[in-house]
Amino acid sequence: EVQLLDSGGGLVQPGGSLRLSCSASGFTFSDYGMNWVRQAPGKGLEWVSTITLDGRNTYYADSVKGRFTISRDNSENTMYLEMNSLRAEDTAVYHCVKGYTSFDFWGQGTMVTVSS
Amino acid sequence: DIQMTQSPSSVSASVGDTVIITCRASQATGSWFAWYQQKPEKAPKVLIYLTSSLQSGVPSRFSGSGSGTEFTLTISSLQPEDFATYYCQQGNSFPRTFGQGTKVEVK
Repeated sequence: EVQLLDSGGGLVQPGGSLRLSCSASGFTFSDYGMNWVRQAPGKGLEWVSTITLDGRNTYYADSVKGRFTISRDNSENTMYLEMNSLRAEDTAVYHCVKGYTSFDFWGQGTMVTVSS
Repeated sequence: DIQMTQSPSSVSASVGDTVIITCRASQATGSWFAWYQQKPEKAPKVLIYLTSSLQSGVPSRFSGSGSGTEFTLTISSLQPEDFATYYCQQGNSFPRTFGQGTKVEVK
């Protein structure tokens, strides 16, 4: 059974940092691209970032480019999102998502709140 | 960037109805097009990928079609568990983009 356990969210002040983690099981992690997709309260889905199966290529939404860094450790079946210079508009549930051109399995999400 | 325009933003329907949701892309997306269902406080789940391929375990009353820049999700014989919000998504290029969502509500 595929499982994605996302964690690391919390309350942080504007300008602060957080590191999200996604622990994967139930599939061969190193065979799949992985993503972060977020959803602000009451809003729609917003793609944040993608990392290829080998970690060599990464892609970012313009809204987070230069502030967020996606990475993965295939030996630990884990993906990360390092978030710096956080803004109020980054407040959202962040989902770890399996897939590359489409997103075939989603974690339950971890809430990030940016507020003073 | 490929912009996705999804319509309608909401639709009221009854059990047994057929619901059609449309998504228009600002550029051609090839076959890299997917549809998702999201229920309140739950993570989205994929229904359709590659424009018309049904995800394993998804009921056959869901179907997808389209090409170029126009894509459609059809829900035939709407069931009580289908009242939810639906999103389209293109996977042809980065940034990946979603439609704004369509809420299917009880009439």
